[in-house]
Amino acid sequence: GIQVEQSPPDLILQEGANSTLRCNFSDSVNNLQWFHQNPWGQLINLFYIPSGTKQNGRLSATTVATERYSLLYISSSQTTDSGVYFCAVYGGATNKLIFGTGTLLAVQP
Amino acid sequence: NAGVTQTPKFRILKIGQSMTLQCTQDMNHNYMYWYRQDPGMGLKLIYYSVGAGITDKGEVPNGYNVSRSTTEDFPLRLELAAPSQTSVYFCASSYSGTGYTGELFFGEGSRLTVL
Repeated sequence: GIQVEQSPPDLILQEGANSTLRCNFSDSVNNLQWFHQNPWGQLINLFYIPSGTKQNGRLSATTVATERYSLLYISSSQTTDSGVYFCAVYGGATNKLIFGTGTLLAVQP
Repeated sequence: NAGVTQTPKFRILKIGQSMTLQCTQDMNHNYMYWYRQDPGMGLKLIYYSVGAGITDKGEVPNGYNVSRSTTEDFPLRLELAAPSQTSVYFCASSYSGTGYTGELFFGEGSRLTVL
């Protein structure tokens, strides 16, 4: 099956810093989503991004499907950005969403 | 618009007991999913359904059963609970079709402890 790898596995930032999270996948995919799991465990949709670039406030994402990767950019980080960021892809012969192992982000004041 | 609603939010079971996690969505999505998330880990697919009356196994189906009698509801049944089933369970839904995979929306999760 498709393998989804995220890097870095964890990251500590000072408030106001910028960061880039990466998601690599091993095969062609039909679609890709980025989620934020906050410290209370809720999974929040960030981007639904099969290709191209999208922006939402301080966050933006780029997916290059032909090269099998996606990037999530966080600018001017805030403490509320802390949590785990998951990349998930749809691919193969099914419509099942396969999750990466996540990037644990801690933003310090 | 409630989205995806799961109940209960918390539950403690004794080994060997059975229970059903309820999931309902009001977005008229055809696809529904159950995932589990163990501490410090990602999500693993238990079962999914592409429409009423159709279900299929995911990565970790053993010890669970599902049914999909309506578009809105997708309950997950745990038979003979075991400590290995201690986890947080997430229900999700999307609108998808041939050649199209829609955005996935999650419920708030159900934390299950088996003692």
